Amino acid sequence: NAGVTQTPKFRVLKTGQSMTLLCAQDMNHEYMYWYRQDPGMGLRLIHYSVGEGTTAKGEVPDGYNVSRLKKQNFLLGLESAAPSQTSVYFCASAPGQGAYQTQYFGPGTRLLVL
Amino acid sequence: AQKVTQAQTEISVVEKEDVTLDCVYETRDTTYYLFWYKQPPSGELVFLIRRNSFDEQNEISGRYSWNFQKSTSSFNFTITASQVVDSAVYFCALSEAVHNTDKLIFGTGTRLQVFP
Repeated sequence: NAGVTQTPKFRVLKTGQSMTLLCAQDMNHEYMYWYRQDPGMGLRLIHYSVGEGTTAKGEVPDGYNVSRLKKQNFLLGLESAAPSQTSVYFCASAPGQGAYQTQYFGPGTRLLVL
Repeated sequence: AQKVTQAQTEISVVEKEDVTLDCVYETRDTTYYLFWYKQPPSGELVFLIRRNSFDEQNEISGRYSWNFQKSTSSFNFTITASQVVDSAVYFCALSEAVHNTDKLIFGTGTRLQVFP
């Protein structure tokens, strides 16, 4: 099993450009998450999904959109990138509902917005 | 409000020293779960342990041990006889059963450097 994979690993964008980050999991997990990691701030939740076709906002959703058309994939879109979105983005998945569920993370995508 | 505090930003030790990483949490819930993750220099986050609020027994896994104390709202992580491979950023996280279910609240992390 590959677990959670993220594409691409690294990307440089110019301000105003758009892009989509892809997260895929092969564990048949219901829940999927997108986080961003910034120096000194830990991981902050951007959006999450509790199942195919559903999405919800997290702590820092502004400037991002998501879609979960297939259970195994969770896409994070930046419509008009800003330098403030320079960060490392992590995707995670969890088996299902419940605070006890462990989240499993992908390797991260490093994004630089110039 | 829910919060996780890792007051130690960075710790440096010499190989074979013992080191404790502190984690203090705040929650309104009586049922909650605490987690530790490791982020090595390669960047991925690796799950280490999960502990529920009803189980205050200490846990040991090889050189790793965890001390959960509800009285002080702490879930500290100790590495015994540290090794260079333990160098990483360690995150403590909280999940609440009622108020913020299905979400992880992370601390800001502690960077551990183990020198040979």
